[in-house]
Amino acid sequence: GNSVTQMEGPVTLSEEAFLTINCTYTATGYPSLFWYVQYPGEGLQLLLKATKADDKGSNKGFEATYRKETTSFHLEKGSVQVSDSAVYFCALSRDDKIIFGKGTRLHILP
Amino acid sequence: DAMVIQNPRYQVTQFGKPVTLSCSQTLNHNVMYWYQQKSSQAPKLLFHYYDKDFNNEADTPDNFQSRRPNTSFCFLDIRSPGLGDAAMYLCATSRDYGVVTTDTQYFGPGTRLTVL
Repeated sequence: GNSVTQMEGPVTLSEEAFLTINCTYTATGYPSLFWYVQYPGEGLQLLLKATKADDKGSNKGFEATYRKETTSFHLEKGSVQVSDSAVYFCALSRDDKIIFGKGTRLHILP
Repeated sequence: DAMVIQNPRYQVTQFGKPVTLSCSQTLNHNVMYWYQQKSSQAPKLLFHYYDKDFNNEADTPDNFQSRRPNTSFCFLDIRSPGLGDAAMYLCATSRDYGVVTTDTQYFGPGTRLTVL
């Protein structure tokens, strides 16, 4: 079946450090892939998405590339800020559903 | 401007006392979803509407019901809340869906339900 696996957190980094959050997926066909971010006490916000192989989604300094050969969609940012502290969910869209990973909590220390 | 609005943001109810959560959208999207998110877990889809067509997830308890009186509004009714139903409830919308969809789901801020 369809599923998403992402690295467990929490991930703690210092400000301006490089960030990678790993995400791999299992799906039939060609799903769309997403990263959502959830700030404390709020709902999910779409951070970026990619709809086909080799697409790169980007937003607010975050990037992720749809890698079909490795079934991965890793989230990266070159220099994190304290304001990036949140929970990040990798997800895939297939048919009428979005399937989420379990989320990775990110703490950025000043 | 808010596109998916949920009211109230915080709801407290008593064990067994029915409660209704509200969601409205200004996007005129066809699809509306309800998710349950417990602490430190991924959102879990309860059900969704495509227009007026209701689609229930197989593992959604009968205690949870939904209504969509028009395009803009969707309600989540919990008939007899138990302690295990305490969670954040998220409403989301999307324009459409299909076998190959690129449509984004837009989420509301959520309603945090406490059951005493």
